[in-house]
Amino acid sequence: QVTLKESGPVLVKPTETLTLTCTVSGFSLSNARMGVSWIRQPPGKALEWLAHIFSNDEKSYSTSLKSRLTISKDTSKSQVVLTMTNMDPVDTATYYCARMRYSYGLYYFDYWGQGTLVTVSS
Amino acid sequence: DIQMTQSPSSLSASVGDRVTITCRASQSISSYLNWYQQKPGKAPKLLIYAASSLQSGVPSRFSGSGSGTDFTLTISSLQPEDFATYYCQQSYSTSFGPGTKVDIK
Repeated sequence: QVTLKESGPVLVKPTETLTLTCTVSGFSLSNARMGVSWIRQPPGKALEWLAHIFSNDEKSYSTSLKSRLTISKDTSKSQVVLTMTNMDPVDTATYYCARMRYSYGLYYFDYWGQGTLVTVSS
Repeated sequence: DIQMTQSPSSLSASVGDRVTITCRASQSISSYLNWYQQKPGKAPKLLIYAASSLQSGVPSRFSGSGSGTDFTLTISSLQPEDFATYYCQQSYSTSFGPGTKVDIK
């Protein structure tokens, strides 16, 4: 059974750095053609992709947020970590991690965590 | 970056209706297009990948079509549990559409 679970702070202050952890089970972060992505959703708004990390440790970031994001993984712990620097109230959102399947340019998200709401406020 | 649009942004329909949602990409994305369903307070759920492949466990009333820049999600006979918001996602450079909310007429 594949599961993903996000963890991290529910409240961060402006200018602080957010660190979120996604703990996965039911698959390995070294499985070929699988990876983990972070996706966020501000309240009442659409989904926004943030970053991927692939099984070979290759990483990809949203163009608009690239300078603020870092994604990494610890395969032995089955964890993927996302850091986002210089948080702002507009970054208030539910942050999801999702398992990504990929093959020849096609990426899709077949399992999702429940999401964690992060509020940015002083 | 590739921009995704969806139409309509919302629609009202009745149980049993045939519903069609359109997604358009700002440039060709071949068949690198996926569809998700999201209910309030829940994570999205994958419905269709590679434009027309039905994800395991998804009812056959859902279907997808299209390639290049224009794609369609069709629900052949709307069921009560289908009232939700639907998002398309392109994987050429990874982005989501703005969503289409389907509610009860």
